[in-house]
Amino acid sequence: AQSVAQPEDQVNVAEGNPLTVKCTYSVSGNPYLFWYVQYPNRGLQFLLKYITGDNLVKGSYGFEAEFNKSQTSFHLKKPSALVSDSALYFCAVRGPYNTDKLIFGTGTRLQVFP
Amino acid sequence: ETGVTQTPRHLVMGMTNKKSLKCEQHLGHNAMYWYKQSAKKPLELMFVYNFKEQTENNSVPSRFSPECPNSSHLFLHLHTLQPEDSALYLCASSQGFGGAEDTQYFGPGTRLTVL
Repeated sequence: AQSVAQPEDQVNVAEGNPLTVKCTYSVSGNPYLFWYVQYPNRGLQFLLKYITGDNLVKGSYGFEAEFNKSQTSFHLKKPSALVSDSALYFCAVRGPYNTDKLIFGTGTRLQVFP
Repeated sequence: ETGVTQTPRHLVMGMTNKKSLKCEQHLGHNAMYWYKQSAKKPLELMFVYNFKEQTENNSVPSRFSPECPNSSHLFLHLHTLQPEDSALYLCASSQGFGGAEDTQYFGPGTRLTVL
């Protein structure tokens, strides 16, 4: 069965510092991995996805994520955090079969302090 | 974010009311989804429509009834709801050709409160 874990409920970082939001997954076969962001009173916005190829994926708003097969992780990163990055971040995974659903993590709240 | 729109944005209803949520996508997609988002719980997939056909019903109670008249519109009809049904209801759409890389795009959600 597929699953995804976001081990931190909240991540706090000072503006200008690098940020990391962690995600680990479990899936049979090759994973398809996604990151979404949710601002207050808004829906989920797609940030980036890993399908195949280069392990470092670049996405919207300066975010990137690194796929690590041996550690079954897909951590979201940004070199320099902005206060406006404060939001709820969701990792999601799908297995390689057409019947596999997109499974979301419970979310990590990122708080960037000025 | 205007690619997928949802109305109303907020809804308060009593347990005996009947109401409907509406979703419209302007992305030319063929698949549409309803999700339920409750505090401190993972996103719950409720229904999936692919080319107007329902392909997924994730054991959702019958008091929730979806309708997909065409690939651009999706409704969720609500009747005799319970207070625990209070949540943010999110609609999403995707290309829908079944590939695992198919990316879902979400609407802003309807905040539902059941009294």
